[in-house]
Amino acid sequence: NAGVMQNPRHLVRRRGQEARLRCSPMKGHSHVYWYRQLPEEGLKFMVYLQKENIIDESGMPKERFSAEFPKEGPSILRIQQVVRGDSAAYFCASSPQMGSRRETQYFGPGTRLLVL
Amino acid sequence: KNEVEQSPQNLTAQEGEFITINCSYSVGISALHWLQQHPGGGIVSLFMLSSGKKKHGRLIATINIQEKHSSLHITASHPRDSAVYICAVRSRSSQGGSEKLVFGKGTKLTVNP
Repeated sequence: NAGVMQNPRHLVRRRGQEARLRCSPMKGHSHVYWYRQLPEEGLKFMVYLQKENIIDESGMPKERFSAEFPKEGPSILRIQQVVRGDSAAYFCASSPQMGSRRETQYFGPGTRLLVL
Repeated sequence: KNEVEQSPQNLTAQEGEFITINCSYSVGISALHWLQQHPGGGIVSLFMLSSGKKKHGRLIATINIQEKHSSLHITASHPRDSAVYICAVRSRSSQGGSEKLVFGKGTKLTVNP
């Protein structure tokens, strides 16, 4: 049973380019969370998605950032017109289902984004 | 003030020592998580607890809901325990929305041989 997969593991972009980060949840998991870890900072919640639905995007920057979790395929975190301040590690986590507060989240290995 | 505070920020120990990492939080929570982040960056969930105490191998996690405090203990520490240990609470923000994890900044543990 493969864990949470993220790709790419490392991504280098120049200012103004687009970054696409992918997350494949664990098999059977329908809930995906994205977190950002800025250098020397703690993890911060960005967005919570279920299949085809954004449940909570209160942690997403208002501009340039978007996320989706289509019916088929991985969840995508998209950053348009990247700036140097977007350089960070982006982690995805998945959990089986809502309803139980006892559900733990399983983390992917992260994508390290470097904006030059 | 952060909603989740960890202490110490950095901790250096000799192999075999007993380690304690503390976490205090200021919000209502439904659960508290302890996570381990290895030097390579991967994050592993160690414990999720909402009351009492849990033990797994040399790791013990306790929580006191009334005092809003949790501790992570490592017995007989080993160099391979060197990592960043992160406390996270599941909480619903005052702005509403779903319950989400709020993280401490982590405690960097170095265990020397």
